[in-house]
Amino acid sequence: GDSVTQMEGPVTLSEEAFLTINCTYTATGYPSLFWYVQYPGEGLQLLLKATKADDKGSNKGFEATYRKETTSFHLEKGSVQVSDSAVYFCALSDAGNNRKLIWGLGTSLAVNP
Amino acid sequence: ETGVTQSPTHLIKTRGQQVTLRCSSQSGHNTVSWYQQALGQGPQFIFQYYREEENGRGNFPPRFSGLQFPNYSSELNVNALELDDSALYLCASSLAQGAETQYFGPGTRLLVL
Repeated sequence: GDSVTQMEGPVTLSEEAFLTINCTYTATGYPSLFWYVQYPGEGLQLLLKATKADDKGSNKGFEATYRKETTSFHLEKGSVQVSDSAVYFCALSDAGNNRKLIWGLGTSLAVNP
Repeated sequence: ETGVTQSPTHLIKTRGQQVTLRCSSQSGHNTVSWYQQALGQGPQFIFQYYREEENGRGNFPPRFSGLQFPNYSSELNVNALELDDSALYLCASSLAQGAETQYFGPGTRLLVL
């Protein structure tokens, strides 16, 4: 079945450092890909998405490119801030009519001042 | 525009009891999905409701049941609670069946003792 694999955390960075969180997927068909963020004590917020190969999703300085050839959707940010500290989840929506989301385990990011 | 709301925010139950969790979808959304997020894990799809009918179900036993009302709000019921049911329960709404993007509520944290 479809699955998502994320790099394990926790990831600890200094403010203004470059961030990469790796995400690869296995899917039949052509899923849409998502990054969601979960701040401490809160629910999940959509960060960005891409719906087809070579699409780039971007939001709040974060970017991810849908790479069909490597089945990847890595999250990047050029300069992280303390306020970016959160858990980041990579997900795909399956090809069924309910488009249920299949999730990675999440990667915890801590940014120190 | 009102986002997805869930109630209650926290709940403590004992093993064997029953629980009902509630979700109000975002304005204009007719599809609601429920997910279970165990501590340190990614969410797992429980089921989806579209126009008051179940539209897909994940790998959860029948003691997990749901309902959707004509105003598109939804309930998740869990009977015969087990310790492993302790988790964050997330509700997500989307614009229509098959819509790619789901918007999440803050979740209900259930603790089963």
